[in-house]
This record gives sequence, structure tokens and C-alpha cells, in this order.
Amino acid sequence: QQPVQSPQAVILREGEDAVINCSSSKALYSVHWYRQKHGEAPVFLMILLKGGEQKGHEKISASFNEKKQQSSLYLTASQLSYSGTYFCGTESSLYQAGTALIFGKGTTLSVSS
Amino acid sequence: NAGVTQTPKFRILKIGQSMTLQCTQDMNHNYMYWYRQDPGMGLKLIYYSVGAGITDKGEVPNGYNVSRSTTEDFPLRLELAAPSQTSVYFCASSYGQGYNQPQHFGDGTRLSIL
Repeated sequence: QQPVQSPQAVILREGEDAVINCSSSKALYSVHWYRQKHGEAPVFLMILLKGGEQKGHEKISASFNEKKQQSSLYLTASQLSYSGTYFCGTESSLYQAGTALIFGKGTTLSVSS
Repeated sequence: NAGVTQTPKFRILKIGQSMTLQCTQDMNHNYMYWYRQDPGMGLKLIYYSVGAGITDKGEVPNGYNVSRSTTEDFPLRLELAAPSQTSVYFCASSYGQGYNQPQHFGDGTRLSIL
């Protein structure tokens, strides 16, 4: 039930764009996105909810296709600060409904000058 | 506002020893979580709690125990440390149900078992 992220790694130069995908085998109500820099804790980026509601704090956009059970994270005009590993998290039937997430293995993004 | 605080930050244990990883949050969050992170494997949920006195197993609970006597604290106990438990452990909390609220993570505990 672990969501599948692609690609596993992306290498960019400053100013280039990237798309990170997250796919699930089950119907989803929400998708979370987090970024983790090396040696640090994961940091919340945004939540996408069924019906199109989006909660986020940074200048990074995302989409949520409920029918395809997929979400994509769009990083445009990348900056050095975008480097890190990006994780998506989705609900899992392993846990009581709505209580906990299961995370993908992550996508590592490296941005160079 | 400290957020989620984990102690210790680093620890080396010998096989068979026991220890408790501490986690406390000052945001009055009901939901708390323990994850372990191994290289290339993402975050695996060990245990979670939806409120004081209520805990439940996550994906990888074997070898661990938890308790939640207060809203603020959610300690993780390793009873008989094994090399397979070498990992980075993160505690997190959220205001409400996990599916629609952000999780706030502590800085992690890096644990080595030799």
C-alpha cells in the first residue's frame, strides 16, 4: 500500500523545472507532501484534499487527480534551497480511518548553480 | 514555541540493552507518531496515538513499546536492542486527524546498536 514515487532522483540546475509524481493503488482522500534536507527532519509542504482543496505554505504547486489516484508536485524555476528529498504521504487501510499516513520512499532532488 | 522536542539526539547502545526515546510537544496536539527512517526506505510508522491513553501499532511495531499518559509526551521504549534497530527515529504530532492536518516533526534521534 506504500505509494510509489517517481522519479527516484532528479538533478537540476538553478532555474530549471521538475515534476515529482506519487501514485497509490487505493482511492485517496488526501495526499501530503514533505521535504527533508540532509540530516534534518521532514518539513511539511502541503496537503491536497479530494475535491480540490489545497493547503500549503510555500511557493511550490501540486495537483491531485483523484480518479487516477495520483498527485504531482511541481517545482518551477528551482532554487538551491529546493534541494532535498521529497516524500508523499497517503492514508492507509492499515490504520483506523484518517488517523495515520504511509509514506513513499522519496525522491531526491539536487539543484546546482 | 519549541514544537516537537526529542531527546537524546544521538545514542549508541550495545545489543540487548534497553532505552527510552523521549518525545514531547507543546502544541496541544492530540495525534502523535513515531517513525523510523532507514536509508532509501522512507519513513516507517512504528506506533501512533490519537490521545492520552490511546495507542496503536503502526507498520513496524515489533521490538518497540509506547505509552501516552499525557497529551504532551509520547516516549518510545526499546526493550532488547538489536542491530536491526539501528536507524534514525522521528517523533511527529498533528492537531487533528492525520489525513488532513500537517505533521510536525522533531529533529530526530540517531541510534546505533553495536
